[in-house]
Order: sequence, then C-alpha cells, then structure tokens
Amino acid sequence: SYELTQPPSVSVSPGQTASVTCSGNKLGDKYVCWYQQKPGQSPVLVIYQDHKRPSGIPERFSGSNSGNTATLTISGTQAMDEADYYCQAWDSSTDWVFGGGTRLTVL
Amino acid sequence: QVTLRESGPALVKPTQTLKLTCTFSGFSLDTGGMSVSWIRQPPGKALEWLARIDGDDDKDYNKSLKTRLTISKGTSENQVVLTLTNMDHVDTATYYCARMQPFDPSNSLDYWGQGTLVTVSS
Repeated sequence: SYELTQPPSVSVSPGQTASVTCSGNKLGDKYVCWYQQKPGQSPVLVIYQDHKRPSGIPERFSGSNSGNTATLTISGTQAMDEADYYCQAWDSSTDWVFGGGTRLTVL
Repeated sequence: QVTLRESGPALVKPTQTLKLTCTFSGFSLDTGGMSVSWIRQPPGKALEWLARIDGDDDKDYNKSLKTRLTISKGTSENQVVLTLTNMDHVDTATYYCARMQPFDPSNSLDYWGQGTLVTVSS
C-alpha cells in the first residue's frame, strides 16, 4: 500500500516562513493536495494539484511537489495558521491516501 | 452554495452495523465529474479515506475495509449512505462526507460536512 509521511510537528515564529513536508515513493509523479484542520473543525482544502489555491485561500499558502517530496509553504505565517495540516495523494492502487498530519505551532 | 451534512447514531455497540447518511445541497451527483467520499478520523489521529461514489454509481472502497463497507445513493437524490458492518472499538471516529472537486486530477475534496462522532461501546 502507498504511504505518505509527514513530520509530527513544525514550529514557526509569526511572520516567518513555515514548510511542511510530505514524503512518498515517486510522489512527484502524483498530484498532491493539502488540508488545514483547526481543533474541532472539519478539514479545509488549501492546495490542490500540487500548487493551486482554492478561492478564498490566502496567497501566503503555496505548494510544490518533486521527486519524493511535496511541500506546503506558508509565507508570513500568522497566528491563525496554527493548525494540523494533512497531505493527500491519489494512487491507482490505494485510491485516496492521507499523510499522518503535521501540527503547525506558531510561537 | 455547497453544503454537506452527516447524520446517524452517535453510539453503536460492538458487532452492530453503522449506517450514516450524507445529505448535500448545491450540487447534483448526476452532474458530470461529481462524486462524494466518506472519510473518518479517530480521536487525535489522522484522516482515513473510506469510500467514494459518483453519479454513474461507480464505487471505490478502502481496500483494508472493503469487506465491511457499502456506499450507496440514498432514497433522495441528494443523499449518500455509508454502512460499516461488525463495528469495533477501533471504529470510534468522527465520520465526514466530502465532495470531490469535479474534473480535478488530484481528486481533492473541496467541501466537507461538519462530521459526526460515532462511538463504539457496549
């Protein structure tokens, strides 16, 4: 089965750039999405097709995907960005696969 | 405006069958490219995709749970039903339904319901 690996936690200072990684075998050959989930809330799609932002998602959210690693980057991180972030990829053998999630802390 | 809402029992006993209904508005499954998925999240843990259905009644299942899962269209055209048999304590989770963004090759889930917490306990 296909697996996606994320670091359990990432810390960033307000105004700085946060990077959350997602690793998987030949992940760059697949499309990756990213979801933000705040405590007690449903996930929200923040990046799809590796780098596209849905309507209403701030420009400070960006994404990339190459080789075995996809990265969600948050520029000028704000306190409101503190949340869990999940990557997701679609694979023909396992359909939708989610990463284990990364807790982003804005210190 | 797209909305989805999950409904079903909050508590089920071990070995029972769980039946959840997703009622949605703002889109039609019969529109090309539309599909609805179920995803669950145990308390404090990661998301896990369960199943998907589209307007042509094509279905996909999480392979590790396939023998226990059934996804179907509901009695109303704006409903999708998920059943999970032989419930166990490890199935305790918040269950979400979500819409797949149409014609998106990344199969992203662009709208989510608020989720419903299902606890398995005798």
